[in-house]
Amino acid sequence: NAGVMQNPRHLVRRRGQEARLRCSPMKGHSHVYWYRQLPEEGLKFMVYLQKENIIDESGMPKERFSAEFPKEGPSILRIQQVVRGDSAAYFCASSPQRQQGLTEAFFGQGTRLTVV
Amino acid sequence: AQSVTQLDSHVSVSEGTPVLLRCNYSSSYSPSLFWYVQHPNKGLQLLLKYTSAATLVKGINGFEAEFKKSETSFHLTKPSAHMSDAAEYFCVVSGSDSGGGADGLTFGKGTHLIIQP
Repeated sequence: NAGVMQNPRHLVRRRGQEARLRCSPMKGHSHVYWYRQLPEEGLKFMVYLQKENIIDESGMPKERFSAEFPKEGPSILRIQQVVRGDSAAYFCASSPQRQQGLTEAFFGQGTRLTVV
Repeated sequence: AQSVTQLDSHVSVSEGTPVLLRCNYSSSYSPSLFWYVQHPNKGLQLLLKYTSAATLVKGINGFEAEFKKSETSFHLTKPSAHMSDAAEYFCVVSGSDSGGGADGLTFGKGTHLIIQP
């Protein structure tokens, strides 16, 4: 059973371009979470999705950022018109049920986005 | 609301000596607490978790942590450090009733553990 798969591992974008980050959850997991890790910081929650539904996007910037988890295929975190401040590591986690206080979430290896 | 404070951004110990990584938390609810480890260019791996059972929790690779409610602490320890323990360690609290999401997992800023030969 493969773990949470994220790709690409490293992504370089010029300012103003779009970044697409993909996350395939563990087999049997229907809950996906995206976190962002800025340099010298812990992970900060961005968005929580179930299949075809955004459950909580309270941690996601209102502009330029969007996320989806379609019925088929991976979850996508999309950043439009990237700026230097978007440079960070983006981690995806999945769980078979709601994350809160229950089972731990399983994390992917992250996508390191660099905006030049 | 909940928060996590990892008291040391860097800890350096010699191989074979004890490790102590400190974590204090605050939570309005009965928390679940976790320690995750992140090796360079790797994802996060769960070391151990506390979910209101025994206050002394044993994890993988010889690590353990003790939940002390009176001190709101969940410090991570290991009797004897190994070179392979060099990594970033995150203390995490989960305890909201809001149903996952922003209050689901709150991460500390991390402690970088350095092992001297």
